[in-house]
Amino acid sequence: EIVLTQSPGTLSLSPGERATLSCRASQSITSLAWYQQKPGQAPRLLIYRASSRATGIPDRFSGSGSGTDFTLTISRLEPEDFAVYYCQQRGFSSVTFGQGTKVEI
Amino acid sequence: VQLVESGGGLVQPGGSLRLSCAASGFTFSRYGMHWVRQAPGKGLEWVTFIRSEGNKENYADSVKGRFTISRDNPNQMLYVQLNSLRVDDTAIYYCARDGPNYDIDLWGQGTLVTVSS
Repeated sequence: EIVLTQSPGTLSLSPGERATLSCRASQSITSLAWYQQKPGQAPRLLIYRASSRATGIPDRFSGSGSGTDFTLTISRLEPEDFAVYYCQQRGFSSVTFGQGTKVEI
Repeated sequence: VQLVESGGGLVQPGGSLRLSCAASGFTFSRYGMHWVRQAPGKGLEWVTFIRSEGNKENYADSVKGRFTISRDNPNQMLYVQLNSLRVDDTAIYYCARDGPNYDIDLWGQGTLVTVSS
């Protein structure tokens, strides 16, 4: 099973700052997605195929990477961006998520 | 376009529960479907997947042999039967749609399952 490791566990930043979140896979993967989850809410798809923004996602969110190393960047944090972010990959017969990165004020 | 789960509740260890998910606003039969769970204060854990035709399922090792996913395409319903429940199965269970890009592009609001004596 492919393991996804996210870092850091918590990112403490201020509105307007840049956030850089990392997701590392235990072996090379072909596709990676990123999700945002706010307290009491279901996750929301942000990025698919490592770098494509989902419908309605602001362009301050961007994804990059390939192989085993992937990055989610939030160029300028807005108050509504403080949340937990998960990466996810889909294998042939299973799905795995990273453990999450909390972006806090 | 939405997914609405139901069927959660309090159950004793060793008990059973069936969760349901009603899909609307899209052609349910064209999509594979997942159940994903989240224990209180923890991260996301994939549980199970069923293909659009209903002819193939996959399960996480933690639930294999205890949980069974199924679907009713004409009525746009997804189910998961939870048997031999354990305390560590306590979680919010989300119904979710398999996206076209190896992602999960639609989530329900979740239903809480609590396993406790």
